[in-house]
Amino acid sequence: DAKTTQPPSMDCAEGRAANLPCNHSTISGNEYVYWYRQIHSQGPQYIIHGLKNNETNEMASLIITEDRKSSTLILPHATLRDTAVYYCIVRVRSFGNEKLTFGTGTRLTIIP
Amino acid sequence: DAGVIQSPRHEVTEMGQEVTLRCKPISGHDYLFWYRQTMMRGLELLIYFNNNVPIDDSGMPEDRFSAKMPNASFSTLKIQPSEPRDSAVYFCASSGDRAMENTIYFGEGSWLTVV
Repeated sequence: DAKTTQPPSMDCAEGRAANLPCNHSTISGNEYVYWYRQIHSQGPQYIIHGLKNNETNEMASLIITEDRKSSTLILPHATLRDTAVYYCIVRVRSFGNEKLTFGTGTRLTIIP
Repeated sequence: DAGVIQSPRHEVTEMGQEVTLRCKPISGHDYLFWYRQTMMRGLELLIYFNNNVPIDDSGMPEDRFSAKMPNASFSTLKIQPSEPRDSAVYFCASSGDRAMENTIYFGEGSWLTVV
């Protein structure tokens, strides 16, 4: 699986949009971009994933650049409960390669 | 659905004792994963199963660790004998085997302390 690079930490004011960047310059054509987050002492929580089109769900939006070498997770109106470590993961979805490989992620702190 | 269920949530044991962690995956899911998280090493995959068969156990640290999946609704991760360096949070996760929906969902973890 391709490697991802994320900033180690970010702050965002409560109520503002949180934009979390991720670089995955070696991504292959069949690799998806996944985002998970982990709130302290809880299990990782799935947020969103995409292949090449932008995606939106009730939690967040995922913007993938046209060359697919980077992406941005957007939390439109951050709340204090969004304080967590956010992981960007690139993953091939095929038999024998189902695993998620976690990096160090971005520690997002929402400031009141 | 209740999600992935793990037990015990917390375990404190003495070095040398056997530890058994349990996991019930989401009903209908064909894949089951065991991860370990420590401050030093982050989240690491230990082993995963497909249809109860181990597919990749390359992350299992040593022979003291073993994992089984006797049926589609139950898995165990056993450490025998346990050591202080095994102290960590152990997560179980599961996913389906459908092309459009094989998102991996995690349980809340089992916090293990070996003293």
